Amino acid sequence: DTAVSQTPKYLVTQMGNDKSIKCEQNLGHDTMYWYKQDSKKFLKIMFSYNNKELIINETVPNRFSPKSPDKAHLNLHINSLELGDSAVYFCASSQGGVNQPQHFGDGTRLSIL
Amino acid sequence: TQLLEQSPQFLSIQEGENLTVYCNSSSVFSSLQWYRQEPGEGPVLLVTVVTGGEVKKLKRLTFQFGDARKDSSLHITAAQPGDTGLYLCAGVKGNTPLVFGKGTRLSVIA
Repeated sequence: DTAVSQTPKYLVTQMGNDKSIKCEQNLGHDTMYWYKQDSKKFLKIMFSYNNKELIINETVPNRFSPKSPDKAHLNLHINSLELGDSAVYFCASSQGGVNQPQHFGDGTRLSIL
Repeated sequence: TQLLEQSPQFLSIQEGENLTVYCNSSSVFSSLQWYRQEPGEGPVLLVTVVTGGEVKKLKRLTFQFGDARKDSSLHITAAQPGDTGLYLCAGVKGNTPLVFGKGTRLSVIA
């Protein structure tokens, strides 16, 4: 009964490929997020959706495209992967606003060869 | 510009020692959240402090929010190996996304 689950946990791929990460939350929260954590552990927000609607889009290259089919799911598709995309990507959810406590998944470690 | 500075960046101590880590800013926050992240997992919320001067205790962990709501500290008494992890503070300003600090990586050696 994992609250926020994301797949896959590890993703190793070549530069230039396209890949997707999926996220699901069973907490009934209305807001979901994608964060990127770099090698220095700095956690930075990328996107946020509230009830399937995009509400935050930080300065992220348009190679990154989030999709929320319903309020319990938020997927992230990345086109033309680059070396600098190597990081841990965390999905999170919260209830009632982007400033509320976040519930995080266990992360997807993306390594670009 | 990093709004939240956490110090120290790294801390390695022996089991049983006490420690304090800090989260400082020149900005005022309406509240501040503390998270712990263990290797291979996502951050987990420990506490939210809301009122200037507030002190909250969670077993051996004591969290304090500065009077001016610009800084916070986390004090751990008699640290245990299970306290090992990355401690992150996150500031709340109005209805904008959380701003995370870069964290303090704590290692408690048995």
